[in-house]
Amino acid sequence: GAVVSQHPSRVICKSGTSVKIECRSLDFQATTMFWYRQFPKKSLMLMATSNEGSKATYEQGVEKDKFLINHASLTLSTLTVTSAHPEDSSFYICSARGIGDEDQPQHFGDGTRLSIL
Amino acid sequence: LAKTTQPISMDSYEGQEVNITCSHNNIATNDYITWYQQFPSQGPRFIIQGYKTKVTNEVASLFIPADRKSSTLSLPRVSLSDTAVYYCLVGSFGNEKLTFGTGTRLTIIP
Repeated sequence: GAVVSQHPSRVICKSGTSVKIECRSLDFQATTMFWYRQFPKKSLMLMATSNEGSKATYEQGVEKDKFLINHASLTLSTLTVTSAHPEDSSFYICSARGIGDEDQPQHFGDGTRLSIL
Repeated sequence: LAKTTQPISMDSYEGQEVNITCSHNNIATNDYITWYQQFPSQGPRFIIQGYKTKVTNEVASLFIPADRKSSTLSLPRVSLSDTAVYYCLVGSFGNEKLTFGTGTRLTIIP
């Protein structure tokens, strides 16, 4: 089945560091990928829609300069948390659906746990 | 996007059949219903998807009444490994944006 891979699975770093998270579709191409954030015991919250070859679309309240998204190819989207602070600590998850698979469910990565000290 | 309402939590014993109901009163004509399962520190995993009546696969069944204002996920003979959060989502084909509700935290008791 379709696989979405995230890397790294866990990051621990100091406050002020910028952290890049990769989301790859391993066996399909995706013009659109999605980035979610999930706090402990809470539901997934959509942060932004990543569009291949164009600017990402951010949800209300999500700072685009804080969370930089790049979707340079049909199989890779990256989320960079710039100058991360402890309040950015969270579980970040991406998802994607293959081109032409609009009637199929989205596939999710296994998430990246970000811990800012 | 249609809003969904689910019970916050449920408990069940091993070997029982578990039914989780989701309300989606303002579901649109072209909306379908999808259920995901999420274990701690993992991304959501697709369980089942349907539009109307009944859908069954190797892990679950999905019952959707004629008015489609609710749906029920049925897990047969649950085991401890079914302890997870289950999310019901409603969305139309081509509308890729998914809105997650609170989900139902299912705990299976030995």
